[in-house]
Amino acid sequence: GENVEQHPSTLSVQEGDSAVIKCTYSDSASNYFPWYKQELGKRPQLIIDIRSNVGEKKDQRIAVTLNKTAKHFSLHITETQPEDSAVYFCAAMSGGSNYKLTFGKGTLLTVNP
Amino acid sequence: DTEVTQTPKHLVMGMTNKKSLKCEQHMGHRAMYWYKQKAKKPPELMFVYSYEKLSINESVPSRFSPECPNSSLLNLHLHALQPEDSALYLCASSYRSGSNEKLFFGSGTQLSVL
Repeated sequence: GENVEQHPSTLSVQEGDSAVIKCTYSDSASNYFPWYKQELGKRPQLIIDIRSNVGEKKDQRIAVTLNKTAKHFSLHITETQPEDSAVYFCAAMSGGSNYKLTFGKGTLLTVNP
Repeated sequence: DTEVTQTPKHLVMGMTNKKSLKCEQHMGHRAMYWYKQKAKKPPELMFVYSYEKLSINESVPSRFSPECPNSSLLNLHLHALQPEDSALYLCASSYRSGSNEKLFFGSGTQLSVL
């Protein structure tokens, strides 16, 4: 089955700095890679996703890049703000009749004012 | 309505109790899910219903019993739980986007088993 590794497990940055979280996956059949943000006591919230036919996707201050050959994808947050503090989970899913998301173990991002 | 709604938000139950968790979505999503999440861990898939039929059971103990009465509702019936079943139980729903499912989570039920 799919295995998703996520690094780092914790990340602390100063407000205004950039943050990068990296994930690798094992199953070459995976073709969809969402990122979820989970604030303390709240639901995982889909913040951005990317498909395997795209190398990069951007939405305001967040961007995701995908390297299919190396089987890794990354989340980039620029101009971080204290409200970006949360746990971020990457995930991978293969296509077809597949409903299984394989999650990474999460990254606790702390943005210090 | 663009949300997945779960009730109750918090639940405390004894090991001999029977209780149910409820989930509702009115986005016309074709699939609904139950996930279990322990503190500081990613969500773990329990069950998937697709078009109201049970599609995936991730070898969940029978003390957890899912039910999908219609395309908008999903229940999780709980009976004779153990303290280690204490966790956040998340419902999710999804729609097909391209060749994949796009999942949206509810706010969860924080369950404590005493």
